[in-house]
Amino acid sequence: QQQVKQSPQSLIVQKGGISIINCAYENTAFDYFPWYQQFPGKGPALLIAIRPDVSEKKEGRFTISFNKSAKQFSLHIMDSQPGDSATYFCAASLTGNTPLVFGKGTRLSVIA
Amino acid sequence: DAGITQSPRHKVTETGTPVTLRCHQTENHRYMYWYRQDPGHGLRLIHYSYGVKDTDKGEVSDGYSVSRSKTEDFLLTLESATSSQTSVYFCAIRPGQGASGANVLTFGAGSRLTVL
Repeated sequence: QQQVKQSPQSLIVQKGGISIINCAYENTAFDYFPWYQQFPGKGPALLIAIRPDVSEKKEGRFTISFNKSAKQFSLHIMDSQPGDSATYFCAASLTGNTPLVFGKGTRLSVIA
Repeated sequence: DAGITQSPRHKVTETGTPVTLRCHQTENHRYMYWYRQDPGHGLRLIHYSYGVKDTDKGEVSDGYSVSRSKTEDFLLTLESATSSQTSVYFCAIRPGQGASGANVLTFGAGSRLTVL
């Protein structure tokens, strides 16, 4: 049972464009939703995270939009740059000690 | 990756042989995790530890065992490696509840295992 469904699997965006990656979750008890960024040959690293008490969180060019009623959240990368080319993972967890559940990842390529 | 090292970084072995991957942290974090990453499957949790000698299974634990005899070390063992265990293995650490950044996972650089 896949608890976090991520789409698309891969994405190609022109430099300067907006990259959008979507995730849907099933467990309504989830209350922490992070995004991780992974460059080739490296481990994933936390990019940005949100809790369900807010509908949007922005950090620089990266924004998480959260829709609690639809059980969906998305990552928007504004003014996408070639340096943003990486694999992005959404995840979800319960407060406390439960492990993160990850989506299957999206490989983003930003082309000039 | 500061504070967390995995060894070996690359290993090629044959089917049926035992393999142990080591994760070492210098952050004194309570939680440690082993994930495997495969194309089309993303990151899947194998086992995790919430303290010395305290471990639990993840979603893909069959064929794997773990041990944590010290806070800083978390070992992943494949008792008899199979080709389906060819993967990139990531260790991750996390502080305990109440600590700053309690929900943030810090990943190691990964261990690429090939089982022939």
